Amino acid sequence: EIVLTQSPGTLSLSPGERVTLSCRASQSVSNSYLAWHQQKRGQAPRLLIYAASSRATGIPDRFSGSGSGTDFTLTISRLEPEDFAVYFCQQYGSSPYTFGQGTKLEIK
Amino acid sequence: QVQLVQSGAEVKKPGAAVKVSCKASGYTFSNFGIHWVRQAPGQGPEWMGWISAYNGNANYAQKLQDRVTMTTDTSTNTAYMEVRSLRSDDTAVYYCARAYRPLQYPLDYWGQGTLVTVSS
Repeated sequence: EIVLTQSPGTLSLSPGERVTLSCRASQSVSNSYLAWHQQKRGQAPRLLIYAASSRATGIPDRFSGSGSGTDFTLTISRLEPEDFAVYFCQQYGSSPYTFGQGTKLEIK
Repeated sequence: QVQLVQSGAEVKKPGAAVKVSCKASGYTFSNFGIHWVRQAPGQGPEWMGWISAYNGNANYAQKLQDRVTMTTDTSTNTAYMEVRSLRSDDTAVYYCARAYRPLQYPLDYWGQGTLVTVSS
């Protein structure tokens, strides 16, 4: 199975800053079938990015994704207060689906 | 709007079974499938399996296939996931999530999660 490794585990940042999160796969992700989800405490996870770089419906354009093969990134161009959450990557190109451990963004 | 509403928290003893429901609304239920994902405390999410709401075909994660059964009821637009022979390491938040097909389509809407606690 494909193992996804996210780094860093936690980031302390201020609103308005730019941030780039990393997701590295143990083998190539088929057709860049890589998604990013946002998870807030007590809420349903929300799909942000699919196919590595396509924004899901209703997602603000400050969120962007890039990458291919084994290296993927999620960038938030300017952090808003509501963006402080956990972000995890997920590959859906091969079975079993696998997820990263998540990166937590916390307010500095 | 698409919504997946899950059943409430459960506390079970080791060896028991638990059945979690996921009621869908806002779309044609039989046109999609449902994935089940769980997240143990302090860990990343773990994929459990997928079921087609069209024909009930399911495939399960290898480590769980002997203890998990997924079903759907198209008359009520509800998916169910049962885990048997519960162990302490089954303690987790269980999520359902929609996807068009079992592979190559993202999980685009998620339920709010159901906490299952296994404790004697």
